[in-house]
Amino acid sequence: GAVVSQHPSRVICKSGTSVKIECRSLDFQATTMFWYRQFPKQSLMLMATSNEGSKATYEQGVEKDKFLINHASLTLSTLTVTSAHPEDSSFYICSASLSVLRGTDTQYFGPGTRLTVL
Amino acid sequence: GEDVEQSLFLSVREGDSSVINCTYTDSSSTYLYWYKQEPGAGLQLLTYIFSNMDMKQDQRLTVLLNKKDKHLSLRIADTQTGDSAIYFCAESGTAGNKLTFGGGTRVLVKP
Repeated sequence: GAVVSQHPSRVICKSGTSVKIECRSLDFQATTMFWYRQFPKQSLMLMATSNEGSKATYEQGVEKDKFLINHASLTLSTLTVTSAHPEDSSFYICSASLSVLRGTDTQYFGPGTRLTVL
Repeated sequence: GEDVEQSLFLSVREGDSSVINCTYTDSSSTYLYWYKQEPGAGLQLLTYIFSNMDMKQDQRLTVLLNKKDKHLSLRIADTQTGDSAIYFCAESGTAGNKLTFGGGTRVLVKP
């Protein structure tokens, strides 16, 4: 149980285009989803916290107009990188919080999306 | 703010035990986690421990928590080549359920 999927797993796009990444909790409902960014050989950096039906909370230094987050349902959150540039190239990982059923704040992670902007 | 630190690298022989250490600064941490990341993949939750526990064992994994020293460790018994990966410790404190990650420890298991 507690499986989180991401789509696509890898995307290459041209500079100036927008890219949408989906994050789904497959076998549970997640009231909270998180979006992280990971640079090579580095730890995960939290970008934003997404709650179903409300606006995402962005971490300091993360541009909300650049990284649009939509959490339309209890099983789906999307991250759209708008007007992507080469410096946006990174590994983007989402997680979903399974807190209601198990009474913990455990986060389960998706497999990640490798974004390369040419 | 919260800070979580880990050593960068650990090399171990197949069959030996591995011990990965982590220190944290937030004394109000509620849950502490260990995640495993293989190359090009997401994070796999290995185990977690509540802050009111000292130890938790799950098959080959043993987590020790010294709350006084804010020190967390993960012991992997009978380490296998498939255990080669990056291991992240993380804590969640009072700020809802946001996680603060350590920098990750790269574990290399040699045959």
